[in-house]
Amino acid sequence: QVQLVESGGGVVQPGRSLRLSCVVSGFTFRNYGMHWVRQAPGKGLDWVAVIWPDGNRKYYGDSVKGRFTISRDNSRNTLFLQMNSLRVEDTALYYCTPLTVTPDSWGQGTLVTVSS
Amino acid sequence: AIQMTQSPSSLSASVGDRVTITCRASQDIRNDLGWYQQKPGKAPKLLIFAASSLQGGVPSRFSGSGSGTDFTLTISRLQPEDFATYYCLQDNDYPRTFGQGTKVEIK
Repeated sequence: QVQLVESGGGVVQPGRSLRLSCVVSGFTFRNYGMHWVRQAPGKGLDWVAVIWPDGNRKYYGDSVKGRFTISRDNSRNTLFLQMNSLRVEDTALYYCTPLTVTPDSWGQGTLVTVSS
Repeated sequence: AIQMTQSPSSLSASVGDRVTITCRASQDIRNDLGWYQQKPGKAPKLLIFAASSLQGGVPSRFSGSGSGTDFTLTISRLQPEDFATYYCLQDNDYPRTFGQGTKVEIK
């Protein structure tokens, strides 16, 4: 079955960096654009970034543009999010998802806490 | 960026009630809109895509309508398992944008 497993979250000080990973199984990863979506504690959903299936096109949300970089390794069915210059307001549960009708699948999320 | 204004932010309703949630886009997004349901501690789940198409396995009491800038999610007869938070998402352009969410609570 479809499975997305995020990892790499943790507690980090403001200004530092963190790299998230998402390992995918159960569908043909290289055929799908992939997204990161985050949710701050008790808040709504916030779209972060997308990468095209071949990795050649990327888009970012306004709040992370210039600080976060999305990438992928299709040989390892893995999606990444490099997060630099982290801010307190980046504290959230980060989900990876193809954000498509089929499969409508999300990981369990990985929690990033930015705090001094 | 396209802004999605969702209302109400919360509502209280009883089992069996008809519930309506609206989303307004800041520009024409044709029918490029989805509706998601999220329960506490869980990932979101797609209910409606392309504004009015029911995702497989979703009960028929859920329906979506609208095009252009104004969209509606309707739950015809609220069931206990429908108490959750609902979000709209525009997939017309990047960056993608979600509505602020509507929490449906038990009256």
